[in-house]
Amino acid sequence: NAGVTQTPKFRVLKTGQSMTLLCAQDMNHEYMYWYRQDPGMGLRLIHYSVGEGTTAKGEVPDGYNVSRLKKQNFLLGLESAAPSQTSVYFCASSRQGIYSPLHFGNGTRLTVT
Amino acid sequence: KQEVTQIPAALSVPEGENLVLNCSFTDSAIYNLQWFRQDPGKGLTSLLLIQSSQREQTSGRLNASLDKSSGRSTLYIAASQPGDSATYLCAVIAQGGSEKLVFGKGTKLTVNP
Repeated sequence: NAGVTQTPKFRVLKTGQSMTLLCAQDMNHEYMYWYRQDPGMGLRLIHYSVGEGTTAKGEVPDGYNVSRLKKQNFLLGLESAAPSQTSVYFCASSRQGIYSPLHFGNGTRLTVT
Repeated sequence: KQEVTQIPAALSVPEGENLVLNCSFTDSAIYNLQWFRQDPGKGLTSLLLIQSSQREQTSGRLNASLDKSSGRSTLYIAASQPGDSATYLCAVIAQGGSEKLVFGKGTKLTVNP
């Protein structure tokens, strides 16, 4: 099984550009999450989804939007990128939310200049 | 507000040594605690999940303990190997029923041959 797959792996954007990060999981998990990881800040939850068609805000949702049109996919969008959004983005999924082990993708390293 | 601290930030040991990684949290009212491993440039891998009603969990050479009353967890690694070199993070579920995990900043472990 592939587990959790994130695309792209790397991306450089200019301020004001937009992009979408794709997360796909093949484990039939209901719960999916987007985190960002920054040096000295640890992992912070951006948005999450508890099932197909649902989304909810996490700890740092401003500047991001998400969609979960299909159970296996969770998209993270940046409408107008800012340098403060330079980070490593991780997608994760789980069977029973945070009460069960999370499975992470390998991350997308995004640089906004 | 739940805060998770991992000390030390970095640890270097010779191969074969038994070692303990520490995790402390400020609010003892947790649902569970997870230990993760992160290799450079990769996502997190769930190692052990301890429910609040449990005192410890074991997987191979890894043993995680939980003392809710003192707000502490330890990850014991027996007979360390160079392949154990990675950053180890712990995370607890914050109160409030949201899907929010609070992560520590991690301990970077280096096992020298």
